[in-house]
Amino acid sequence: QKEVEQNSGPLSVPEGAIASLNCTYSDRVSQSFFWYRQYSGKSPELIMSIYSNGDKEDGRFTAQLNKASQYVSLLIRDSQPSDSATYLCATFSGGYNKLIFGAGTRLAVHP
Amino acid sequence: DGGITQSPKYLFRKEGQNVTLSCEQNLNHDAMYWYRQDPGQGLRLIYYSQIVNDFQKGDIAEGYSVSREKKESFPLTVTSAQKNPTAFYLCASSTGDGFYGYTFGSGTRLTVV
Repeated sequence: QKEVEQNSGPLSVPEGAIASLNCTYSDRVSQSFFWYRQYSGKSPELIMSIYSNGDKEDGRFTAQLNKASQYVSLLIRDSQPSDSATYLCATFSGGYNKLIFGAGTRLAVHP
Repeated sequence: DGGITQSPKYLFRKEGQNVTLSCEQNLNHDAMYWYRQDPGQGLRLIYYSQIVNDFQKGDIAEGYSVSREKKESFPLTVTSAQKNPTAFYLCASSTGDGFYGYTFGSGTRLTVV
């Protein structure tokens, strides 16, 4: 079982819709979770971090964490074509010196 | 502006050749990391260093070597022992405990010719 799993997509949503990206993880003691956005050919950019159960909102982005279900998600409201990218979920494994990543979900927002 | 600089942006390696990828940061971060990304895959950890003059192997260290002689610099050498080096290489840094996540450089795309 992979430590961090994501649906590879592509997830296609119309402009203005809510995009929902999901991630599951295997390490029950994981405490910190991150969402990175990666445009094609570019490096990952940190867009959200979440450390406790519940929701965390930042502008059009909402991260949701459910530690009991080992599930973290990212919602993007009012999706724009500029949101089209691959979204990587990440958490620490074996301490804070090893951030591990899912394979990413490709999001396509069409006008 | 603070950030991480990777060079070169593109690198071509001949068979049997060693090449070195540069990574420099001015964020005053203690920890630095090297990841490899293959098409359609996530990032895999090659090496990491939490303090100067110390580094540890990640999940895929075979065929790679690193040094950490200065806090700001963490170069990666891809040796001839790495049989499939074509990939996108990403350097990152963080505060010592990494609690706030990692900051990435712009990457080096390495191709074997």
